[in-house]
Amino acid sequence: ILNVEQSPQSLHVQEGDSTNFTCSFPSSNFYALHWYRWETAKSPEALFVMTLNGDEKKKGRISATLNTKEGYSYLYIKGSQPEDSATYLCAFPNSGYSTLTFGKGTMLLVSP
Amino acid sequence: DTEVTQTPKHLVMGMTNKKSLKCEQHMGHRAMYWYKQKAKKPPELMFVYSYEKLSINESVPSRFSPECPNSSLLNLHLHALQPEDSALYLCASSPEAGLRNYGYTFGSGTRLTVV
Repeated sequence: ILNVEQSPQSLHVQEGDSTNFTCSFPSSNFYALHWYRWETAKSPEALFVMTLNGDEKKKGRISATLNTKEGYSYLYIKGSQPEDSATYLCAFPNSGYSTLTFGKGTMLLVSP
Repeated sequence: DTEVTQTPKHLVMGMTNKKSLKCEQHMGHRAMYWYKQKAKKPPELMFVYSYEKLSINESVPSRFSPECPNSSLLNLHLHALQPEDSALYLCASSPEAGLRNYGYTFGSGTRLTVV
């Protein structure tokens, strides 16, 4: 059973704050690491698929880094806005690389 | 078209009912998935179809029966469900079954309540 851990479980910040959260995953036999954003009543949306150790990917004010040797990825949001409020999920492919195991997510609330 | 469409959005059914959930995509994706998500838990895999063939069944009870009539359509047939089956059922697709380069495209889910 894959162990994908996310922390913190929830986070409440003020508009304009920068924030970050963590995803931990098994470091052996690394294949890829996915990040998704899930706004309430909407579809989960793919943010990043990360494959290389040391990789950094950016999408607007959101960026992610990857450390495959120690088994963690950070997601950063610069200057949080209320529209960033969502649950952020990371996911790790299973041994067959054909399905994803999800972490429990970090629920972010950004207050105006 | 870059969407996965799920219908219905909400469904209430009795334990003796038969109903079906529908998922459709027109992106040419060859892998399609059913996940189940209960409150405060991560999505859990139920079934995977790859090139219209069932490739993974995660020991799901037989009261859930998947069907992939063609490459764009995925159904989940429900029969004799239990109240504990109440959950959000998410459909997803990806261009291929290997997930190194591509993420999932998700539908918005069907909120199922079994009474």
